[in-house]
Amino acid sequence: DVKVTQSSRYLVKRTGEKVFLECVQDMDHENMFWYRQDPGLGLRLIYFSYDVKMKEKGDIPEGYSVSREKKERFSLILESASTNQTSMYLCASSLTAGTGEREQYFGPGTRLTVT
Amino acid sequence: AQSVTQLGSHVSVSEGALVLLRCNYSSSVPPYLFWYVQYPNQGLQLLLKYTSAATLVKGINGFEAEFKKSETSFHLTKPSAHMSDAAEYFCAVLSGGYNKLIFGAGTRLAVHP
Repeated sequence: DVKVTQSSRYLVKRTGEKVFLECVQDMDHENMFWYRQDPGLGLRLIYFSYDVKMKEKGDIPEGYSVSREKKERFSLILESASTNQTSMYLCASSLTAGTGEREQYFGPGTRLTVT
Repeated sequence: AQSVTQLGSHVSVSEGALVLLRCNYSSSVPPYLFWYVQYPNQGLQLLLKYTSAATLVKGINGFEAEFKKSETSFHLTKPSAHMSDAAEYFCAVLSGGYNKLIFGAGTRLAVHP
């Protein structure tokens, strides 16, 4: 089974702090994704990565950055956390396009509260 | 551009009743479609997927979905609801390269005795 793990289930940070959210997958997937989930808005893509050191902006990248130094690890960084970044953050991974399997596999999520 | 609309942010059914969760999509190419389920305080789990092989797709936990091109719909059904089905359900469509997904806003299913 594909396993996607996230470093924390719950996190409380103060406004202005630098926050790191870590995601690790164990299935050698090329693609990795970071979403935020807010009630009534579904999942919105923040950033994704299709290879080591390669990244693309999603729909809501403002206030976030990412890092992918190793294939299995994808980090989301909030350079200066703000209260409007309080949300559930979900990481996902998938094989590369063209392999036939198109679905994404999700981690358990990190509920971040910024006070 | 692809998009997904889920009709009804909340659906409530009795235990044993039919579950019907609606999803309509917009896609300029033959779509790949997915239903995911999210139990409280958990990540998303794949229920089923449509990849053009068959229009009626069976998934886990007794769920199934029918792809109707003429109606641009991919509604999720289950003949008899169980209390354990209470969760949030998301419909998604594949968008562009890199296996990106566009998600609907989600439907929260409540099952009452």
